[in-house]
Amino acid sequence: EPEVTQTPSHQVTQMGQEVILRCVPISNHLYFYWYRQILGQKVEFLVSFYNNEISEKSEIFDDQFSVERPDGSNFTLKIRSTKLEDSAMYFCASKGRGSDTQYFGPGTRLTVL
Amino acid sequence: QQQVKQSPQSLIVQKGGISIINCAYENTAFDYFPWYQQFPGKGPALLIAIRPDVSEKKEGRFTISFNKSAKQFSLHIMDSQPGDSATYFCAASTGAGANSKLTFGKGITLSVRP
Repeated sequence: EPEVTQTPSHQVTQMGQEVILRCVPISNHLYFYWYRQILGQKVEFLVSFYNNEISEKSEIFDDQFSVERPDGSNFTLKIRSTKLEDSAMYFCASKGRGSDTQYFGPGTRLTVL
Repeated sequence: QQQVKQSPQSLIVQKGGISIINCAYENTAFDYFPWYQQFPGKGPALLIAIRPDVSEKKEGRFTISFNKSAKQFSLHIMDSQPGDSATYFCAASTGAGANSKLTFGKGITLSVRP
């Protein structure tokens, strides 16, 4: 069964450093999302992406964040200058045309020291 | 309002019992209500979902009951098993399409005792 994959599974970085989290959505899916989950808290929407542009973004998704679909298969989330409070699990999700179901990847645990 | 509220915060059930998790929403524009199951270290996985044109949907041991007037929906797990021990999130969104972001509840940890 097709699945969303994410790399790396765990990323440790120093505060102020740039990180890029990578996702490979399910092929033929058209809608892509990033969510984050701070330890012990609920899953929060960050951004949605369709047709090579951002569809919607949350308050969390400030100028430090950016997304890109560089090659038609990968979907990346970049954090330019990480802060301690960026430490969280980051989940990528994708959805097919006409479907309600978002399929989530296993997540990347980001630890900012 | 975009909030989705879950109750209880945690639940312990004996094997074979019925687990019931409730969810309430505020935004009447929501028209898709999924339940996600999450095991430690894994991403959320869709368990079952419902649209407001039906009041109940059953898939195996899992049933969603939906009350549109009360703006509430619940997940019932029949014959609960230790393998059902996980975190359960209710969520809601407004329709299919690119802007259908999911708004999640806080999640509830279910423990099924052998």
